[in-house]
Amino acid sequence: EIVLTQSPATLSLSPGERATLSCRASQSVNDYLAWYQQKPGQAPRLLIYDASNRATGIPARFSGSGSGTDFTLTISSLEPEDFAVYYCQQRTSWPSFGPGTRVDIK
Amino acid sequence: QVQLVQSGAEVKKPRSSVKVSCKASGDTFSNYGINWVRQAPGQGLEWMGGVIPFSGTTSYAQKFRGRVTITADESTSTAYMELSNLRSEDTAVYYCARGVEIVVVPTATWFDPWGQGTLVTVSS
Repeated sequence: EIVLTQSPATLSLSPGERATLSCRASQSVNDYLAWYQQKPGQAPRLLIYDASNRATGIPARFSGSGSGTDFTLTISSLEPEDFAVYYCQQRTSWPSFGPGTRVDIK
Repeated sequence: QVQLVQSGAEVKKPRSSVKVSCKASGDTFSNYGINWVRQAPGQGLEWMGGVIPFSGTTSYAQKFRGRVTITADESTSTAYMELSNLRSEDTAVYYCARGVEIVVVPTATWFDPWGQGTLVTVSS
């Protein structure tokens, strides 16, 4: 079973600031990694797939990078609607999700 | 643009079963995988399993094998997740999610879009 860890657990930032979220896998997932955004009371939404590809309709301020075991989601300049919880997910073996990073308003 | 609409909230007794539905509209149903992911209150996301409606191919998480059954009805574009022998730890919001591309096994793709979620509460 591939375990994903995310850091930090919580990130407190102000609108306009840059957010950098990390996801680490217990073994290589190649580039089979995605990022999802979840707002309170809503279902998750796919942001990034295959480590670095933006899903349809996702703004360019969201970018993903990494391969193997270390991945990063970057939000270049936080908008008010970006404050949410972000999960990474791998599908190299049975799908699994990381515990999430909460991005809070500072 | 596909939309997934799930059935309403359920309250169940321990050791009973629950069956949640997920109806797709607006796009092709049969060739895209439908996966089920649950989220306990205040917790993260947990994949349970999935199905390819066209072939009936299923994949289940080891944790739920023997307790979960995922099926699909092509004629109504509806997928179902049935969980048996419920316990309090199964209290969660259950989501269905469609794959973003046509695949032969339901786990070989990313999940988008998602249904609105169905709260299942297990309580005596």
